Amino acid sequence: DAGVTQSPTHLIKTRGQQVTLRCSPKSGHDTVSWYQQALGQGPQFIFQYYEEEERQRGNFPDRFSGHQFPNYSSELNVNALLLGDSALYLCASSSSQGGDTQYFGPGTRLTVL
Amino acid sequence: AQSVTQPDIHITVSEGASLELRCNYSYGATPYLFWYVQSPGQGLQLLLKYFSGDTLVQGIKGFEAEFKRSQSSFNLRKPSVHWSDAAEYFCAVGAGNYGQNFVFGPGTRLSVLP
Repeated sequence: DAGVTQSPTHLIKTRGQQVTLRCSPKSGHDTVSWYQQALGQGPQFIFQYYEEEERQRGNFPDRFSGHQFPNYSSELNVNALLLGDSALYLCASSSSQGGDTQYFGPGTRLTVL
Repeated sequence: AQSVTQPDIHITVSEGASLELRCNYSYGATPYLFWYVQSPGQGLQLLLKYFSGDTLVQGIKGFEAEFKRSQSSFNLRKPSVHWSDAAEYFCAVGAGNYGQNFVFGPGTRLSVLP
């Protein structure tokens, strides 16, 4: 049983560019959440997708957007990259059928130069 | 707003010694509480969780945690630490309308001396 997978593992971009990160949830899970983890800090909630819609959103600007596909996989898009967007981006999946436990992927390390 | 504090930024213990990592939360309703561990460059692995019931919960790798509502705490313990336990530990509270957007603490880095 595959866990949560994310791609790519690492990414280097320059300021002003756009980036897309991808996540496949754990088998049987239908809800995907994204988190940003800056160096030396705890993860911060970006948003959550369920039934292909954004269900909740944290305190992040509109430059951060996402999408969920019918197979429950998800993308995180960040436009107009800033140096401060450099972080580890974590995807977590969970099931809407009970058990509020989130399972995390290994993350995508984004570096903005 | 929900919040989680982990008072200890860095803790060093000797292998075989006992361990307690502190976590305090602020949340208006009954919280869902979690402890995750993160090795360098890795994602988060769930150690244990508390939803309701018995306030002492057992997790993987010999860890346990105790929920104390009166102290708004959910401290993580292990009776005998192994060198492989060196990592970053995060306490989290499940918040939001569906209890599924997590608020994480800043983390405690654990070093283990041989």
